[in-house]
Amino acid sequence: GNSVTQMEGPVTLSEEAFLTINCTYTATGYPSLFWYVQYPGEGLQLLLKATKADDKGSNKGFEATYRKETTSFHLEKGSVQVSDSAVYFCAPPFWIKGNRGSTLGRLYFGRGTQLTVWP
Amino acid sequence: DAGVIQSPRHEVTEMGQEVTLRCKPISGHNSLFWYRQTMMRGLELLIYFNNNVPIDDSGMPEDRFSAKMPNASFSTLKIQPSEPRDSAVYFCASSAPEGDQVAQHFGDGTRLSIL
Repeated sequence: GNSVTQMEGPVTLSEEAFLTINCTYTATGYPSLFWYVQYPGEGLQLLLKATKADDKGSNKGFEATYRKETTSFHLEKGSVQVSDSAVYFCAPPFWIKGNRGSTLGRLYFGRGTQLTVWP
Repeated sequence: DAGVIQSPRHEVTEMGQEVTLRCKPISGHNSLFWYRQTMMRGLELLIYFNNNVPIDDSGMPEDRFSAKMPNASFSTLKIQPSEPRDSAVYFCASSAPEGDQVAQHFGDGTRLSIL
């Protein structure tokens, strides 16, 4: 079945440290992959996405490469800032049948990984 | 463009009362999701609508929870009667037709406290 394994937190880093949050998944086919971020008191926001194998998504200094051979989509940032403190969610979509016979995607979110960056 | 709009932002009520949470999805989006977030369980999908029709409600905890989507621009999540264990942040999200690679757009949530 479909599943996602995301590195458990919390992760605590000093400013300018290197960040990696691991994410591996199992899913049918090779769907688009997403990383979402949730800042304190807010809803989730799409951080970056990759739509096909070997694609690299990037945004705000964060990067993630879609590795088909390892079914991974690890999130990285070379130099974190205090403002990056948030919860990060790796979200692969799972496919279900819609009410008109179409194939619909819904995203799976778990607990996410809490990142705290200290000055 | 306006994002997903949820109301109220905060709700505090006594157990046994009826609670109604509201959501206005982004115009043009045809999928709508209700989630519940707690420290213990993370983000859980409660129910998923597509073209105003419930597709997957397997995440609805029990009969006290119900959700409706009477039209493409409005949805409600109702809890009756409410219990303290229902205290959580409830999020609504919407997504465009499948061509948008299913990326979801979230509202700011409703923080619900049941006393």
